[in-house]
Amino acid sequence: AQKVTQAQTEISVVEKEDVTLDCVYETRDTTYYLFWYKQPPSGELVFLIRRNSFDEQNEISGRYSWNFQKSTSSFNFTITASQVVDSAVYFCALSEASTGNQFYFGTGTSLTVIP
Amino acid sequence: EAGVAQSPRYKIIEKRQSVAFWCNPISGHATLYWYQQILGQGPKLLIQFQNNGVVDDSQLPKDRFSAERLKGVDSTLKIQPAKLEDSAVYLCASSWEWTGFNEQFFGPGTRLTVL
Repeated sequence: AQKVTQAQTEISVVEKEDVTLDCVYETRDTTYYLFWYKQPPSGELVFLIRRNSFDEQNEISGRYSWNFQKSTSSFNFTITASQVVDSAVYFCALSEASTGNQFYFGTGTSLTVIP
Repeated sequence: EAGVAQSPRYKIIEKRQSVAFWCNPISGHATLYWYQQILGQGPKLLIQFQNNGVVDDSQLPKDRFSAERLKGVDSTLKIQPAKLEDSAVYLCASSWEWTGFNEQFFGPGTRLTVL
């Protein structure tokens, strides 16, 4: 079974629009970590954010914000006022203590921001 | 701070040939990971090292893949013999240690094409 589901395969938005990338995870652990990574066309995965299972406080960093809801097992990522440079593939990942903290990545959401 | 280095960036081989990839992690990072990323999918962990010991290699196809991390720094991943389905990007990542709290830093990857 897929531990991390990113149902949106591809999204296109016009520059300056807001966009939300969905991430749903599955785990039986009480201690786990969630991550978002960005993979631009160059291919290198870039770390964006980490969240532990005990901290449901939402976070905002500039135009980026994350909404963590344990009740729905979701960790969604919103980009406000999107820019062309935001075009990339975005991956959500889960790390569980019970599986040695290995990362389980979703299949990614390809975001295209149209100028 | 220098990032994770990988070489070569691209490699094209014919099936049944052998190939090797090299990774140099961020200085001081004890944990090193090799991932396979098939086009359109998220990275899948192949093997994880803590210093020069293997923590997890459960998803490494050991009949054809091998990896080593001599002296707990650089690492090489080898495929022998290669199959068509091995065509993918091979990503190396490192982190301070293998607890789930630590984000992983990724290299640019090696794109392997098997003809």
